[in-house]
Amino acid sequence: AQSVTQLGSHVSVSEGALVLLRCNYSSSVPPYLFWYVQYPNQGLQLLLKYTTGATLVKGINGFEAEFKKSETSFHLTKPSAHMSDAAEYFCAVSEQGAQKLVFGQGTRLTINP
Amino acid sequence: DTAVSQTPKYLVTQMGNDKSIKCEQNLGHDTMYWYKQDSKKFLKIMFSYNNKELIINETVPNRFSPKSPDKAHLNLHINSLELGDSAVYFCASSQGNGGGTDTQYFGPGTRLTVL
Repeated sequence: AQSVTQLGSHVSVSEGALVLLRCNYSSSVPPYLFWYVQYPNQGLQLLLKYTTGATLVKGINGFEAEFKKSETSFHLTKPSAHMSDAAEYFCAVSEQGAQKLVFGQGTRLTINP
Repeated sequence: DTAVSQTPKYLVTQMGNDKSIKCEQNLGHDTMYWYKQDSKKFLKIMFSYNNKELIINETVPNRFSPKSPDKAHLNLHINSLELGDSAVYFCASSQGNGGGTDTQYFGPGTRLTVL
């Protein structure tokens, strides 16, 4: 069965600092991996996804993530945090042929001025 | 134009009541979903429909009954509401032909509070 673990339920960084949100997955077949962001009182919005091809994936708002099969990881990074990045971030996995997403427990990102 | 819309946004009701949440998407997608987000923000899929046909039912109690009158709508009816049903319910949609690679587009959520 698929599962996703996000290390750190709460991450706090200073404005301008590097953002690193960790995600590890478990899947018996090559996974498809997603990062979604949820701003307060809103639905989820796709940041980026990995399906096949290049393992470094660039998304919206300056975020990127790298698929590392050997580490079963898909960590999300952004070189310089902005106040508007404060939100809840969810890593998710799906499998070939499956139409459902399995989510991690989420990481709340706080940006300090 | 709102891509995935849900009504109502907030729903407060008593235990034992029956309530419905409606979802509509104007993206022309074939697949729609219901997710439940609990108080700890954990998101779990409940149901998925493809072209009005149920394809995923994740061991949800029978009190929850989804209905898809057409592929643009997926409603969720809940009978005999319990305290544990309090959560935010999200509707989502996707193209449905990506074999797991599809981006899912989420609605704004319906916050259900059972008293």
